Amino acid sequence: DAGVIQSPRHEVTEMGQEVTLRCKPISGHDYLFWYRQTMMRGLELLIYFNNNVPIDDSGMPEDRFSAKMPNASFSTLKIQPSEPRDSAVYFCASSSNGLAGDSYEQYFGPGTRLTVT
Amino acid sequence: SQQGEEDPQALSIQEGENATMNCSYKTSINNLQWYRQNSGRGLVHLILIRSNEREKHSGRLRVTLDTSKKSSSLLITASRAADTASYFCATSGTYKYIFGTGTRLKVLA
Repeated sequence: DAGVIQSPRHEVTEMGQEVTLRCKPISGHDYLFWYRQTMMRGLELLIYFNNNVPIDDSGMPEDRFSAKMPNASFSTLKIQPSEPRDSAVYFCASSSNGLAGDSYEQYFGPGTRLTVT
Repeated sequence: SQQGEEDPQALSIQEGENATMNCSYKTSINNLQWYRQNSGRGLVHLILIRSNEREKHSGRLRVTLDTSKKSSSLLITASRAADTASYFCATSGTYKYIFGTGTRLKVLA
């Protein structure tokens, strides 16, 4: 398996523009997570899905952020409109249910470095 | 809010020495994981320890967990330059993991 795939790897956009980040999880994984990493705030969980259904979006910072998972092999994180404070590295991760039900590891993608000017 | 807090924030050692980093957390957990992140890359899972376990080994890694103190430690023995990275603990009550602030380890050749 190629691992978790994210695109684009780098995105530079101007304030006010719409940004769409994409993620393809590992085949067979039923959990998908979106994280944001900054120097100031560290690694923050934004939202996660189970079987394509959003389970917890309490980490989504504002209504400008939205995430979808239309099928088991694709998810998007959209920011509209983007602001300079959204500049960060956005990671997608996937995992499957462990044998013990609560034990599993997350596989991270390479991340998308977003710069909003 | 952050669940895990790693200590120290940064650590610099010579190749061949052991590196120890600690993680403290606030609430009850089901398990705790350690991850490594090389510069510019995604996180990579290293080891998982369940709440009913006290110690676990994987190669040069040794993890301990003290649920009474709400703390864990990661020991890397005989460190190598390739171990240079940031190390994060992640705690879970359910399927939602909360990552700590990380320890930046630098191993000097």
